[in-house]
Amino acid sequence: DAKTTQPPSMDCAEGRAANLPCNHSTISGNEYVYWYRQIHSQGPQYIIHGLKNNETNEMASLIITEDRKSSTLILPHATLRDTAVYYCIVGLIIQGAQKLVFGQGTRLTINP
Amino acid sequence: ETGVTQTPRHLVMGMTNKKSLKCEQHLGHNAMYWYKQSAKKPLELMFVYNFKEQTENNSVPSRFSPECPNSSHLFLHLHTLQPEDSALYLCASSQRGGRETQYFGPGTRLLVL
Repeated sequence: DAKTTQPPSMDCAEGRAANLPCNHSTISGNEYVYWYRQIHSQGPQYIIHGLKNNETNEMASLIITEDRKSSTLILPHATLRDTAVYYCIVGLIIQGAQKLVFGQGTRLTINP
Repeated sequence: ETGVTQTPRHLVMGMTNKKSLKCEQHLGHNAMYWYKQSAKKPLELMFVYNFKEQTENNSVPSRFSPECPNSSHLFLHLHTLQPEDSALYLCASSQRGGRETQYFGPGTRLLVL
């Protein structure tokens, strides 16, 4: 399974952009990069995913390097409600279903 | 509200009890998953069901027994658990095909005494 490496914690000021890095140097060509977040004691919430190109949705932007060995999740205007653990995951497909291997993630704290 | 519900939300049980966790998804998905999240540990995938067929058992002890009677419902039957099995148990679903996102329920917080 391709592994990911993330910083254990980060801080960001409210209203600023939060940039969360992730290394996935062993990713294979057909594996996607997924980002989820988990607010305390809740189930994880999907944020965004991508293969090669940069992606943007209403929650965030995902920047994937050309060699696909790393990516950055960008929350453009962080709010206090964005405080959570953010997981970068390389997704495997097994018999039509996903196998998501969660790591420790990055604990992001948004400060007022 | 993600469209995935779990009951009960909290459960306390003794080591000799038998209990069941229930998950229901209202999204029309056909793949369902059980995860375990212990304190200070990452989520661990336990079981995967695809069109009601179990496709993954991640070396889970037999005291955990999953059941998937149809593509909308998933159960986790618990029997003679240990205190170290205390954790948050999360259910998720996705549409078969693989690339689609997983939607998680709120979880059942289990305490084994």
